[in-house]
This record gives sequence, C-alpha cells and structure tokens, in this order.
Amino acid sequence: QQPVQSPQAVILREGEDAVINCSSSKALYSVHWYRQKHGEAPVFLMILLKGGEQKGHEKISASFNEKKQQSSLYLTASQLSYSGTYFCGTERDDYKLSFGAGTTVTVRA
Amino acid sequence: ETGVTQTPRHLVMGMTNKKSLKCEQHLGHNAMYWYKQSAKKPLELMFVYNFKEQTENNSVPSRFSPECPNSSHLFLHLHTLQPEDSALYLCASSQGTGINTGELFFGEGSRLTVL
Repeated sequence: QQPVQSPQAVILREGEDAVINCSSSKALYSVHWYRQKHGEAPVFLMILLKGGEQKGHEKISASFNEKKQQSSLYLTASQLSYSGTYFCGTERDDYKLSFGAGTTVTVRA
Repeated sequence: ETGVTQTPRHLVMGMTNKKSLKCEQHLGHNAMYWYKQSAKKPLELMFVYNFKEQTENNSVPSRFSPECPNSSHLFLHLHTLQPEDSALYLCASSQGTGINTGELFFGEGSRLTVL
C-alpha cells in the first residue's frame, strides 16, 4: 500500500523553508527519502529507522513519527540545487518498499 | 555516474515489436529491481531479483518478461506492448532485500514509447 505525500508541488524562493509530508495507513518499519532531478536517476537522501529519529544532511533533514505513521522532510534555507521531485518510500514489517507519488519542488532565485 | 547503467536510454516501438531493456550494476550488489515510472504516479515496483532468483512479481502482465543471468545484469524483455505501457523504466540495485535492503541505487532509466 503506497504512502501519501503532500503537497504535490511547492514553489520556493532561495532561502525559504518547506516541509514535505509522507503518511501511511499501516505501521512502518522505516522511511526512505529520494530526490530525482529532471532526466536523472532518483538519488538516495536518507533512511529513518527509529520512531522519532531525525536525520539530516546539510540543510535537508527528516523526522519519523512511528505512532502517527508519518515522516516529514524539511528543506531549510533552500538552494537552487534543491529543485527536483522528492519521493518517500515506506517499508512495513514485510520489508517491501512502496513509494509515494512524489512532491515537485521548484526553487527560484 | 550512479553505478547502475541502463540501455537504451530511449526506445520507440510498435505494438507488435519485441525489444529488450538492459541494466548493469557495478556495485557488487545482490539485489536488482525493475520499477515503472509514469507521470504523476508513484513508482511501481515490477520485479525483484535477489542472488539471481526472482523474489517478487508485482502482478505484472506477461508481455513483460524479466531475466537475471547473474547478480550484475538484469533484462526486461518486451513484446506486444500497449500504448499505456509507455513510461520511464527504472532499474535499481541494493545490497540485499528484506531487512537488509538499505539504500537503492537507481539507473537513469529507459524512456519507452509504444506507438
């Protein structure tokens, strides 16, 4: 069962912040986040394995709330290079990875 | 360079043609995957191979036929496709599957157009 992502799209100016949400109707073992730029392969950002854990890379971080079965990706002080489509992937206890429909992020100068 | 190479990058075929997509990974991974990516839709898992054995077939029509001769190569054989099969087909690899899935490494995809 695929997770639901919101919003579908977001437009930012450089330096602004954004939050992308990913929610599941089932209990989750882990959440993956990937980014895909136009015409390129999806690229791994991070995996969150424990409830309430936050991970980050530079100014992109994420949290995972096991109880609420959801994860959020935080884009802080966005840069032009953050533009792309962000996908969350969720693993349930059967360890099968299902992806959301993606959130398209456009960062403008 | 992602370590996962897909060929061809673009393919146009008629509904009666037979063609194949190829994927090669140079990462020493044991698991390989085929995903279908259509506009505005979630990535759809098609097939999973672990140590050359198919471990997942996600109710894919038989006009798509995968082949995994070894852990480094994965093929998707196509025949009598329909226009709705037009999409980006992504190959991915990982160290393992199940609890050991970890990070997926994706290729850049093969853009398929069925006329």
